[in-house]
Amino acid sequence: DGGITQSPKYLFRKEGQNVTLSCEQNLNHDAMYWYRQDPGQGLRLIYYSQIVNDFQKGDIAEGYSVSREKKESFPLTVTSAQKNPTAFYLCASRFRTSSYEQYFGPGTRLTVT
Amino acid sequence: QKEVEQNSGPLSVPEGAIASLNCTYSDRGSQSFFWYRQYSGKSPELIMFIYSNGDKEDGRFTAQLNKASQYVSLLIRDSQPSDSATYLCAVNVASNTGKLIFGQGTTLQVKP
Repeated sequence: DGGITQSPKYLFRKEGQNVTLSCEQNLNHDAMYWYRQDPGQGLRLIYYSQIVNDFQKGDIAEGYSVSREKKESFPLTVTSAQKNPTAFYLCASRFRTSSYEQYFGPGTRLTVT
Repeated sequence: QKEVEQNSGPLSVPEGAIASLNCTYSDRGSQSFFWYRQYSGKSPELIMFIYSNGDKEDGRFTAQLNKASQYVSLLIRDSQPSDSATYLCAVNVASNTGKLIFGQGTTLQVKP
């Protein structure tokens, strides 16, 4: 089955700990994106990557880091510097030559206490 | 600041009625417009996209785009209780980055 997988579905961490969220896709998509969604709000872009070994900050990159060592994988690390990390994290991907439609994984709900 | 605005709702319609969801955007250079459906606790699912002025129909869904007015809408005909969800409007940033700007979403409730 082709698709985007995110793991884990739920994640609980103590304040002060770094945590890494996984995003994998087997759609052969070039570009990958990380968003954050807070209750009652739209999606806000954290980081994006259009090709392997290259990524750019989105609108709310502070306290987050990413890597893109493989086309299929775009992990997101939520560091202890992120002041309000509890949120629903969504990974998306698309073909670079497409007309911008992005497809989402199932998401990871992170709770930090 | 490039923005996408939606009425958060909730928009309540009876089963079988037409639901009309609206979205305005600020970036005149935007070329691609998307509607995503998001059920509670789930991730967004792409249901429609439109690139040209006018209407685009897909089953019970019709997307309407008016670039002069910077307005895009989604009509859902014969609304069903299963259509109850939050609908997110997304607009591409006028660049080659593929970035999308999302509205906050409109919650639709279809009452049996």
